Amino acid sequence: DSGVTQTPKHLITATGQRVTLRCSPRSGDLSVYWYQQSLDQGLQFLIQYYNGEERAKGNILERFSAQQFPDLHSELNLSSLELGDSALYFCASSLSGTSPKRSYNEQFFGPGTRLTVL
Amino acid sequence: DQQVKQNSPSLSVQEGRISILNCDYTNSMFDYFLWYKKYPAEGPTFLISISSIKDKNEDGRFTVFLNKSAKHLSLHIVPSQPGDSAVYFCAARRNNAGNMLTFGGGTRLMVKP
Repeated sequence: DSGVTQTPKHLITATGQRVTLRCSPRSGDLSVYWYQQSLDQGLQFLIQYYNGEERAKGNILERFSAQQFPDLHSELNLSSLELGDSALYFCASSLSGTSPKRSYNEQFFGPGTRLTVL
Repeated sequence: DQQVKQNSPSLSVQEGRISILNCDYTNSMFDYFLWYKKYPAEGPTFLISISSIKDKNEDGRFTVFLNKSAKHLSLHIVPSQPGDSAVYFCAARRNNAGNMLTFGGGTRLMVKP
């Protein structure tokens, strides 16, 4: 158990709909990351938040948005869903946003949310 | 443009033998490399890492080697155990780009008893 929790575990919805995925980081971690793993693909970095502020952005579509709240939990909002958005969405957390020290770099991953768009 | 590549989608090894998983990268700005292990229905779990200023890091049965000139790293597992059967992801962090990770496509390791 990494200490990172994600809800829901599974989500089935229809095209055009909007969903919200939720992530609670490990106790004490300030940084939250979102990754997408599509079928037969590696994990693609979407976005990072550090202590409530956006720190880095990856291949995140404009239809997707995220935020990190004062209690440090994060939500990933996916709207106007398309079939191709079906994937596993992982949240990870780390103590810091960037540091040369190994312990700060290490990202701990949650179990993921499996999104199916029909 | 895949900046981190794991060219072997799968690898099968006998229990007790050495498993060698390979990873190539193209971006010379990467300064930190990590290996993650993933079981089905679970998130990736951190295994071992190496800074670009080193060429080897060892942790128990796991050793990571980095060849910067070849932009290549490998993970050695000795001896391999059936419980090591999982998907292994190589990941890299770019200098001055926060802590975001770029992942390879993964290699499925099967350790046969």
